[in-house]
Amino acid sequence: RKEVEQDPGPFNVPEGATVAFNCTYSNSASQSFFWYRQDCRKEPKLLMSVYSSGNEDGRFTAQLNRASQYISLLIRDSKLSDSATYLCVLSSSNTGKLIFGQGTTLQVKP
Amino acid sequence: DARVTQTPRHKVTEMGQEVTMRCQPILGHNTVFWYRQTMMQGLELLAYFRNRAPLDDSGMPKDRFSAEMPDATLATLKIQPSEPRDSAVYFCASGLGVANTGELFFGEGSRLTVL
Repeated sequence: RKEVEQDPGPFNVPEGATVAFNCTYSNSASQSFFWYRQDCRKEPKLLMSVYSSGNEDGRFTAQLNRASQYISLLIRDSKLSDSATYLCVLSSSNTGKLIFGQGTTLQVKP
Repeated sequence: DARVTQTPRHKVTEMGQEVTMRCQPILGHNTVFWYRQTMMQGLELLAYFRNRAPLDDSGMPKDRFSAEMPDATLATLKIQPSEPRDSAVYFCASGLGVANTGELFFGEGSRLTVL
């Protein structure tokens, strides 16, 4: 079983829609969690951290559920420019390494 | 703007040839990661270094891959001999305090095709 699992999608949504992605992880010792964004044929870039209490950054909301071992990303009022692959990332508390999920592809249509 | 620099950007080679990929991390960053990305597997961690010391290379096929940091400004990933299944995009990324910040700065990648 992979350490981080995501539904690859693609999620096809109209502009203005709200969309949510989930990501599950298997290692309960995982320390920190993040979402990265990767545009087509580009390098991944940090989108936001995920805090235990949940956190927002504009139209983006990230949540962590340690008991069920999943994190989520909610995008409200989606824009065409949100079309990308969203990667769930965890940091191992033992080693400090960052493990990436396979990514969920979002396509926002006009 | 400080950025991670990777060379070559594209490489086409024949099976059995040696391939060396180079990475210049951002000055001051103490952690360097090598990842490989394919459609099937996504981003796989191959190796990473902290303060130039290798911490984990468990994701790397040891018989043909090797990763080194000869100095703080250079990380290398070598494949010898290369095989068609090594075709992928290889990313180098660097950071500081990564376990807490989660912020890795990626290079643009080296796209490798092994025929």
